Amino acid sequence: GESVGLHLPTLSVQEGDNSIINCAYSNSASDYFIWYKQESGKGPQFIIDIRSNMDKRQGQRVTVLLNKTVKHLSLQIAATQPGDSAVYFCADPPRTSYDKVIFGPGTSLSVIP
Amino acid sequence: DSGVTQTPKHLITATGQRVTLRCSPRSGDLSVYWYQQSLDQGLQFLIQYYNGEERAKGNILERFSAQQFPDLHSELNLSSLELGDSALYFCASSVDVGYNEQFFGPGTRLTVL
Repeated sequence: GESVGLHLPTLSVQEGDNSIINCAYSNSASDYFIWYKQESGKGPQFIIDIRSNMDKRQGQRVTVLLNKTVKHLSLQIAATQPGDSAVYFCADPPRTSYDKVIFGPGTSLSVIP
Repeated sequence: DSGVTQTPKHLITATGQRVTLRCSPRSGDLSVYWYQQSLDQGLQFLIQYYNGEERAKGNILERFSAQQFPDLHSELNLSSLELGDSALYFCASSVDVGYNEQFFGPGTRLTVL
């Protein structure tokens, strides 16, 4: 079946270093992805999205890379800060109102001061 | 603040009981999604409504049901509660479906004793 998964459940990074969170997907027809950040005790928040006609998209300190050949995407966080500590989910949003929503299991990022 | 509200924030009840969780989407959003997040687990998609109609179903138990009312608010009903139903329940909304980010509420923490 369709799935979206992350390679590592936890990631510890030194403050100031760059973080890379990976995600694999199985549906070749997936053409839009969203990364969400969930801080402890809160609901997920949108970080950045990317469509399949792009290989790379940049935001403020975040970059998402999409490799359609191997069905893999990654979220890069530059100069990681303590406030970046959270669980990060990649999501395959529905394309129609009849599609299910697929979230990856999440990667917990811990920033070491 | 995402603009999505959920009540109550916390709910403690006993096995076998029935509870109702309420969600008010962002103003103008027609789609409402419900998710379950158990301890240290990812987001499990339960069900989605669009403008009052059920559109997509995830792994929602038969003991659970939901509806979206004409004013677009939604309720998730959980009955014959079991210990394993203890979780965070999130509601999210989006303007439409397809290629849209979802805005998540703060969640309802359900504890079944």
